[in-house]
Amino acid sequence: EPEVTQTPSHQVTQMGQEVILRCVPISNHLYFYWYRQILGQKVEFLVSFYNNEISEKSEIFDDQFSVERPDGSNFTLKIRSTKLEDSAMYFCASSETGQGEETQYFGPGTRLLVL
Amino acid sequence: SQQGEEDPQALSIQEGENATMNCSYKTSINNLQWYRQNSGRGLVHLILIRSNEREKHSGRLRVTLDTSKKSSSLLITASRAADTASYFCATGQAGTALIFGKGTTLSVSS
Repeated sequence: EPEVTQTPSHQVTQMGQEVILRCVPISNHLYFYWYRQILGQKVEFLVSFYNNEISEKSEIFDDQFSVERPDGSNFTLKIRSTKLEDSAMYFCASSETGQGEETQYFGPGTRLLVL
Repeated sequence: SQQGEEDPQALSIQEGENATMNCSYKTSINNLQWYRQNSGRGLVHLILIRSNEREKHSGRLRVTLDTSKKSSSLLITASRAADTASYFCATGQAGTALIFGKGTTLSVSS
Protein backbone atom coordinates (compact mmCIF):
# COMPACT_ATOMS: atom_id res chain seq x y z
CA GLU A 1 0.00 0.00 0.00
CA PRO A 2 1.40 3.43 -0.90
CA GLU A 3 2.55 5.47 2.04
CA VAL A 4 4.01 8.85 2.91
CA THR A 5 7.68 8.74 3.80
CA GLN A 6 9.74 11.27 5.72
CA THR A 7 13.44 11.87 6.25
CA PRO A 8 15.27 12.09 8.51
CA SER A 9 13.47 10.25 11.30
CA HIS A 10 15.41 12.27 13.88
CA GLN A 11 17.24 15.58 13.63
CA VAL A 12 19.21 17.40 16.29
CA THR A 13 20.24 20.98 15.60
CA GLN A 14 21.57 24.02 17.37
CA MET A 15 19.35 27.03 17.98
CA GLY A 16 19.59 29.47 15.10
CA GLN A 17 20.46 26.82 12.53
CA GLU A 18 18.40 26.10 9.45
CA VAL A 19 16.77 22.71 9.03
CA ILE A 20 15.03 21.11 6.10
CA LEU A 21 12.60 18.30 6.67
CA ARG A 22 11.77 16.12 3.71
CA CYS A 23 8.69 14.22 2.69
CA VAL A 24 7.65 12.07 -0.23
CA PRO A 25 3.85 12.17 -0.49
CA ILE A 26 1.77 9.41 -2.04
CA SER A 27 2.35 9.65 -5.77
CA ASN A 28 -1.12 10.46 -7.10
CA HIS A 29 -1.99 12.86 -4.31
CA LEU A 30 -2.34 16.55 -5.05
CA TYR A 31 -2.51 18.17 -1.62
CA PHE A 32 0.33 18.14 0.87
CA TYR A 33 0.42 19.18 4.49
CA TRP A 34 2.72 19.75 7.42
CA TYR A 35 1.63 19.31 11.01
CA ARG A 36 3.60 19.35 14.22
CA GLN A 37 3.17 17.80 17.63
CA ILE A 38 5.03 19.23 20.57
CA LEU A 39 5.68 16.50 23.13
CA GLY A 40 2.56 15.75 25.10
CA GLN A 41 0.42 18.19 23.15
CA LYS A 42 -2.06 18.14 20.28
CA VAL A 43 -1.19 17.68 16.66
CA GLU A 44 -1.29 21.17 15.13
CA PHE A 45 -1.79 22.14 11.51
CA LEU A 46 0.97 24.22 9.96
CA VAL A 47 0.35 24.52 6.24
CA SER A 48 -1.27 22.97 3.20
CA PHE A 49 0.13 23.12 -0.32
CA TYR A 50 -1.45 22.63 -3.72
CA ASN A 51 -0.35 23.32 -7.25
CA ASN A 52 2.94 24.79 -6.05
CA GLU A 53 1.26 27.29 -3.78
CA ILE A 54 0.36 27.52 -0.13
CA SER A 55 -3.34 26.80 0.14
CA GLU A 56 -3.82 27.48 3.82
CA LYS A 57 -1.55 28.20 6.77
CA SER A 58 -1.93 28.56 10.50
CA GLU A 59 -0.68 31.27 12.83
CA ILE A 60 2.21 29.01 13.72
CA PHE A 61 3.51 29.10 10.16
CA ASP A 62 5.31 32.43 10.36
CA ASP A 63 8.15 33.85 8.28
CA GLN A 64 10.61 31.36 9.77
CA PHE A 65 8.87 28.56 7.92
CA SER A 66 8.70 27.85 4.23
CA VAL A 67 7.58 24.94 2.08
CA GLU A 68 8.65 23.83 -1.33
CA ARG A 69 8.12 21.09 -3.87
CA PRO A 70 11.55 21.09 -5.46
CA ASP A 71 10.81 18.24 -7.84
CA GLY A 72 8.04 15.85 -8.78
CA SER A 73 8.24 13.76 -5.66
CA ASN A 74 9.65 15.66 -2.68
CA PHE A 75 7.91 18.14 -0.43
CA THR A 76 10.03 20.04 2.08
CA LEU A 77 9.57 22.14 5.19
CA LYS A 78 12.34 24.60 5.97
CA ILE A 79 12.81 26.32 9.29
CA ARG A 80 15.23 29.19 8.72
CA SER A 81 16.46 29.92 12.22
CA THR A 82 15.37 27.30 14.68
CA LYS A 83 14.25 28.13 18.19
CA LEU A 84 14.05 25.91 21.23
CA GLU A 85 10.27 25.89 20.96
CA ASP A 86 10.48 24.40 17.46
CA SER A 87 11.39 21.09 19.06
CA ALA A 88 8.57 18.77 18.09
CA MET A 89 7.54 15.88 15.91
CA TYR A 90 6.80 17.12 12.41
CA PHE A 91 4.36 15.15 10.30
CA CYS A 92 3.87 15.37 6.58
CA ALA A 93 0.55 14.28 5.11
CA SER A 94 -1.03 14.07 1.69
CA SER A 95 -4.49 13.63 0.23
CA GLU A 96 -5.94 13.01 -3.20
CA THR A 97 -7.73 16.32 -3.15
CA GLY A 98 -8.02 19.13 -0.66
CA GLN A 99 -11.72 18.80 -0.23
CA GLY A 100 -12.93 18.57 3.35
CA GLU A 101 -14.17 15.03 2.78
CA GLU A 102 -10.83 13.51 1.98
CA THR A 103 -8.65 11.35 4.16
CA GLN A 104 -5.22 12.72 4.92
CA TYR A 105 -2.48 10.10 5.09
CA PHE A 106 0.37 10.83 7.45
CA GLY A 107 4.02 9.95 7.35
CA PRO A 108 5.93 8.52 10.32
CA GLY A 109 7.24 11.93 11.35
CA THR A 110 10.57 13.64 11.92
CA ARG A 111 11.51 14.26 15.52
CA LEU A 112 13.30 17.61 15.69
CA LEU A 113 15.29 18.56 18.75
CA VAL A 114 16.66 22.09 18.97
CA LEU A 115 19.41 22.58 21.53
CA SER B 1 -12.57 27.69 16.24
CA GLN B 2 -13.63 24.10 15.86
CA GLN B 3 -11.92 21.68 18.17
CA GLY B 4 -12.10 17.97 18.77
CA GLU B 5 -11.82 17.01 22.39
CA GLU B 6 -11.62 13.37 23.39
CA ASP B 7 -12.99 11.81 26.49
CA PRO B 8 -11.71 10.08 28.56
CA GLN B 9 -8.10 11.22 28.54
CA ALA B 10 -6.96 7.74 29.56
CA LEU B 11 -8.62 4.35 29.50
CA SER B 12 -7.33 1.04 30.84
CA ILE B 13 -9.07 -2.22 30.00
CA GLN B 14 -8.44 -5.95 29.77
CA GLU B 15 -8.01 -7.83 26.55
CA GLY B 16 -11.35 -8.87 25.12
CA GLU B 17 -13.23 -5.92 26.57
CA ASN B 18 -14.69 -3.14 24.48
CA ALA B 19 -13.21 0.37 24.52
CA THR B 20 -15.29 3.46 23.87
CA MET B 21 -13.81 6.87 23.27
CA ASN B 22 -15.75 10.05 22.72
CA CYS B 23 -15.01 13.22 20.84
CA SER B 24 -16.79 16.56 20.98
CA TYR B 25 -16.33 19.52 18.72
CA LYS B 26 -17.62 23.06 18.54
CA THR B 27 -18.55 24.05 15.01
CA SER B 28 -20.09 22.45 11.94
CA ILE B 29 -17.88 20.01 10.10
CA ASN B 30 -17.55 18.25 6.75
CA ASN B 31 -16.15 15.09 8.25
CA LEU B 32 -14.61 13.62 11.34
CA GLN B 33 -11.65 11.28 11.23
CA TRP B 34 -10.12 9.01 13.84
CA TYR B 35 -6.40 8.33 13.98
CA ARG B 36 -4.23 6.04 16.08
CA GLN B 37 -0.74 6.86 17.26
CA ASN B 38 1.55 4.33 18.84
CA SER B 39 3.97 5.84 21.31
CA GLY B 40 6.29 8.26 19.54
CA ARG B 41 5.24 7.08 16.11
CA GLY B 42 3.22 8.39 13.19
CA LEU B 43 -0.52 8.81 12.83
CA VAL B 44 -2.43 5.93 11.30
CA HIS B 45 -5.78 6.73 9.74
CA LEU B 46 -8.56 4.52 11.08
CA ILE B 47 -11.84 5.76 9.72
CA LEU B 48 -13.55 8.80 8.24
CA ILE B 49 -17.21 9.58 8.79
CA ARG B 50 -18.91 12.28 6.78
CA SER B 51 -21.28 14.81 8.26
CA ASN B 52 -24.28 13.17 6.57
CA GLU B 53 -23.43 9.74 8.00
CA ARG B 54 -24.47 8.49 11.41
CA GLU B 55 -22.54 5.27 11.79
CA LYS B 56 -19.67 3.51 10.11
CA HIS B 57 -17.93 0.21 10.66
CA SER B 58 -14.46 -1.03 9.82
CA GLY B 59 -13.46 -4.40 11.20
CA ARG B 60 -13.57 -4.15 14.99
CA LEU B 61 -14.13 -0.39 14.83
CA ARG B 62 -17.48 1.31 15.01
CA VAL B 63 -17.79 5.07 14.74
CA THR B 64 -20.91 7.10 15.35
CA LEU B 65 -21.53 10.74 14.63
CA ASP B 66 -24.23 12.93 16.14
CA THR B 67 -24.05 16.32 14.47
CA SER B 68 -26.87 17.68 16.62
CA LYS B 69 -24.76 17.06 19.72
CA LYS B 70 -21.49 17.75 17.91
CA SER B 71 -20.06 14.50 19.13
CA SER B 72 -18.62 11.25 17.88
CA SER B 73 -17.67 7.98 19.47
CA LEU B 74 -15.16 5.31 18.56
CA LEU B 75 -15.84 1.79 19.75
CA ILE B 76 -13.16 -0.88 19.56
CA THR B 77 -14.65 -4.30 20.17
CA ALA B 78 -12.81 -7.30 21.57
CA SER B 79 -9.71 -5.25 22.27
CA ARG B 80 -6.21 -6.67 21.98
CA ALA B 81 -2.91 -5.68 23.56
CA ALA B 82 -1.88 -4.37 20.13
CA ASP B 83 -4.66 -1.77 20.35
CA THR B 84 -2.68 0.01 23.05
CA ALA B 85 -2.10 3.48 21.61
CA SER B 86 -3.36 7.05 21.64
CA TYR B 87 -6.50 7.74 19.65
CA PHE B 88 -7.28 11.13 18.19
CA CYS B 89 -10.30 12.58 16.51
CA ALA B 90 -9.74 15.23 13.87
CA THR B 91 -12.35 17.42 12.27
CA GLY B 92 -12.33 18.79 8.75
CA GLN B 93 -14.30 21.86 7.79
CA ALA B 94 -14.35 23.97 4.65
CA GLY B 95 -10.61 24.45 4.53
CA THR B 96 -7.85 21.93 4.22
CA ALA B 97 -6.68 21.80 7.83
CA LEU B 98 -7.56 19.01 10.20
CA ILE B 99 -8.11 20.10 13.78
CA PHE B 100 -7.02 17.45 16.26
CA GLY B 101 -8.12 16.79 19.79
CA LYS B 102 -5.84 15.96 22.68
CA GLY B 103 -6.42 12.26 22.35
CA THR B 104 -7.37 9.31 24.50
CA THR B 105 -4.58 7.03 25.70
CA LEU B 106 -5.81 3.45 25.62
CA SER B 107 -4.00 0.73 27.51
CA VAL B 108 -5.04 -2.87 26.94
CA SER B 109 -3.54 -5.42 29.27
CA SER B 110 -3.40 -9.13 28.65
